[in-house]
Amino acid sequence: QKEVEQNSGPLSVPEGAIASLNCTYSDRVSQSFFWYRQYSGKSPELIMSIYSNGDKEDGRFTAQLNKASQYVSLLIRDSQPSDSATYLCAVNVHDMRFGAGTRLTVKP
Amino acid sequence: GAVVSQHPSWVICKSGTSVKIECRSLDFQATTMFWYRQFPKQSLMLMATSNEGSKATYEQGVEKDKFLINHASLTLSTLTVTSAHPEDSSFYICSANHRDRVDEQFFGPGTRLTVL
Repeated sequence: QKEVEQNSGPLSVPEGAIASLNCTYSDRVSQSFFWYRQYSGKSPELIMSIYSNGDKEDGRFTAQLNKASQYVSLLIRDSQPSDSATYLCAVNVHDMRFGAGTRLTVKP
Repeated sequence: GAVVSQHPSWVICKSGTSVKIECRSLDFQATTMFWYRQFPKQSLMLMATSNEGSKATYEQGVEKDKFLINHASLTLSTLTVTSAHPEDSSFYICSANHRDRVDEQFFGPGTRLTVL
């Protein structure tokens, strides 16, 4: 089992819709969770970090963490074409481990 | 704050030559710096972790004699790809931990290496 798993997609949503990105992880002692956005040919940029169970909102982005289910998600409300990118889930145990990423396309 | 730079942003070299990539934390001191490699349409693969003044820790399968890492200060780490071959062509990205935010990693803009 991979340490961090994501649906590779591609995920396609219409402009204005909610995009839902999911991630599961295998190590129960994980304490820090991150979502990065990576545009093609660019390096990742941090969108959200979450450390405790529940929801964390920042603008149009909401991260959700459920440690019992070893599950973390990212919701993007009112999706825009500029949100089209690959979204990387990362989990920090002893070091940072990245999922393979989910490619999101927001269609105008 | 927490800006990381890389130089060069891209480089083309001949097979057999060596290439040095610099990673700098511009406005903070980095406790640890990380080097990743990313092939097209694949995820980030951690190559090595380096702490200032000590030897880098390489991930399994990464040749430490081929990918030389020097972490001379709290703001500078370098990766040298020695005797580069076309299969080393990739996107190399560094990241750094902020001393006060050790759980997060801040990424540099990446260096695209093409070996002819």
